[in-house]
Amino acid sequence: SYVLTQPPSVSVAPGQTARISCGGNNIGGKSVHWYQQKPGQAPVLVVYDDSDRPSGIPERFSGSNSGNTATLTISRVEAGDEADYYCQVWDSTSDHLVVFGGGTKLTVL
Amino acid sequence: QVQLQESGPGLVKPSETLSLTCIVSGYSISSGYFWGWIRQPPGKGLEWIGSIYLSGSTYYNPSLKSRVTISVDTSKNHISLKLNSVTAADTAVYFCARAQFGQVYDAFDIWGQGTMVTVSS
Repeated sequence: SYVLTQPPSVSVAPGQTARISCGGNNIGGKSVHWYQQKPGQAPVLVVYDDSDRPSGIPERFSGSNSGNTATLTISRVEAGDEADYYCQVWDSTSDHLVVFGGGTKLTVL
Repeated sequence: QVQLQESGPGLVKPSETLSLTCIVSGYSISSGYFWGWIRQPPGKGLEWIGSIYLSGSTYYNPSLKSRVTISVDTSKNHISLKLNSVTAADTAVYFCARAQFGQVYDAFDIWGQGTMVTVSS
């Protein structure tokens, strides 16, 4: 089955840029979605199809995808961005289909 | 505004069947879209369980496929999940969610608040 690898944690100071990676075999050939999840809450979609933002998501959230790595970038990080972030793909080449990364805890210092 | 609400028993005994319902409001599931179930064990990450379309077409996580049934009831406007032969490893928060543009490969853009299910005797 297809595996997505995320770093367990990323730390950044307020106002700086956070980059969260999501590694997978030829992930650049797939559409990657990103979710933000705060404690006790349901996930919220922040980026879909590699780099598109749903309405209501700040422009500070952006995404890219190439080769074996997709990246979620959060610019001008705020305290309220502290959360777990998950990447997700649809893998039609295996039978696992919907795959989530293990998640990354973003800490705002 | 589309809203999803999961409901069901919060406690299930080992070896029994977990049954949950996702009530959809603000949208008629007869109109389409894929709908998914995702779970999250305490302190762990998200795990996809399966997805279903209006027609009944389903896709399941291979690791759960032998124990899972997802169905749709258009008359009640809800999606159901049944997971049989549960063990403590099935203890999790269970979410239902909608596929954004109606296709099985789309992102999940609308989520329910989730419901905690504990498997214990």
